[in-house]
Amino acid sequence: EVQLVESGGGLVHPGGSLRLSCAASGITVSGYYMTWVRQAPGKGLEWVSVLHIGGHTDYADSVKGRFTISRDNSKNTLYLQMSNVRADDTAVYYCAKAGAVHLYCSGGTCQDYYAMDVWGQGTAVTVSS
Amino acid sequence: DIQMTQSPSSLSASVGDRVTVTCQASQDIAHYLNWYQQKPGKAPKLLISDASNLEIGVPSRFSGSGSGTHFTFTINSLQPEDIGTYYCQQSSTFGPGTTVDI
Repeated sequence: EVQLVESGGGLVHPGGSLRLSCAASGITVSGYYMTWVRQAPGKGLEWVSVLHIGGHTDYADSVKGRFTISRDNSKNTLYLQMSNVRADDTAVYYCAKAGAVHLYCSGGTCQDYYAMDVWGQGTAVTVSS
Repeated sequence: DIQMTQSPSSLSASVGDRVTVTCQASQDIAHYLNWYQQKPGKAPKLLISDASNLEIGVPSRFSGSGSGTHFTFTINSLQPEDIGTYYCQQSSTFGPGTTVDI
């Protein structure tokens, strides 16, 4: 059975840092696109970041330059390093595994398309002074 | 960036009703559109991938269709356990969600 377990959430002051972890079992994180998705209180889902199999990373504009996604293959764990956090980073953070990835080009631009087929239970981050 | 719109934002229906949610992409995404169900306090669950591919274990009353920029998600014969919020998604963008209650 594939399982993702997040940890590391908690209370952090504005401008502070926090590292979230996502321990995987039943899969190897290096063999899949792995993502972070967050949900602010009472709000919808927001994609945060993706780590490609080859190591390429991508980020939502709202976190670019402040958050870093990475993985430790020896620990089979995905991370999200959060720095210079703001009040609007308050959310439940989910890690999720992507299934099959498809490259599709339209209008001169190409993009990877994927679904998140396995999710963790989430870890809550509160940014407050 | 591709934008996703979803409608309605909420709906109320009766047990046994047919429920339909639509999702529109700002540009052609072929059939690469996914649907998730989220119940309060729980992680999202993938129901349908690639517009119409029902995930293993998902009841057949759920279905999806569409391609290009316009997509539809349907629950045939709404059940009490279907209460929750439904999101469409293409890779790095989620729709705003549709809350379904009875």
